[in-house]
Amino acid sequence: EAQVTQNPRYLITVTGKKLTVTCSQNMNHEYMSWYRQDPGLGLRQIYYSMNVEVTDKGDVPEGYKVSRKEKRNFPLILESPSPNQTSLYFCASSSPVLANEQFFGPGTRLTVL
Amino acid sequence: GDSVTQMEGPVTLSEEAFLTINCTYTATGYPSLFWYVQYPGEGLQLLLKATKADDKGSNKGFEATYRKETTSFHLEKGSVQVSDSAVYFCARLAGGTSYGKLTFGQGTILTVHP
Repeated sequence: EAQVTQNPRYLITVTGKKLTVTCSQNMNHEYMSWYRQDPGLGLRQIYYSMNVEVTDKGDVPEGYKVSRKEKRNFPLILESPSPNQTSLYFCASSSPVLANEQFFGPGTRLTVL
Repeated sequence: GDSVTQMEGPVTLSEEAFLTINCTYTATGYPSLFWYVQYPGEGLQLLLKATKADDKGSNKGFEATYRKETTSFHLEKGSVQVSDSAVYFCARLAGGTSYGKLTFGQGTILTVHP
């Protein structure tokens, strides 16, 4: 089954404790993105990657890091989480072959205390 | 910069009512346009899309037409059902050097009552 998976689905942590949210896709898509969803703001892009070892900032990259060492994986790293990073996070993948239709993961709800 | 503006919500309708959710976008370049739907507790699913002016996207009774002259992509459905209750997002996909970058509207919560 073609899918985007994220782990964990739910996470409660404390300020300053480094964490990683994993994202994996099995569709051999070139493009992958991370978004955060906040009430009244819709989804905002954090980082995106056009291929292995190629990443770029989205609209709200501050406080986040990403890497793309393998085509299928695109982890989101919070080196020192803060309460304003409490949000719902979505990973997505797409391919220009499919007119860039983005396939979304199920989401990760993060709470930073 | 690129932006998408959706009508303010929430929207509450009775079953079988007509639905319109307005969406306008910035006209820079030649964007593709999308409507995504998010059911409670789930991720986003593509509802429909249009890649060029005058294209009409349709799916599950929903329709939207890419109107370049009014920079709009309004979502419509002739007769909503309770199962259509969800959050709807309009989105714009930039082309050129920003491939893969979706810009979303703020979302519109739709509640349909029996």
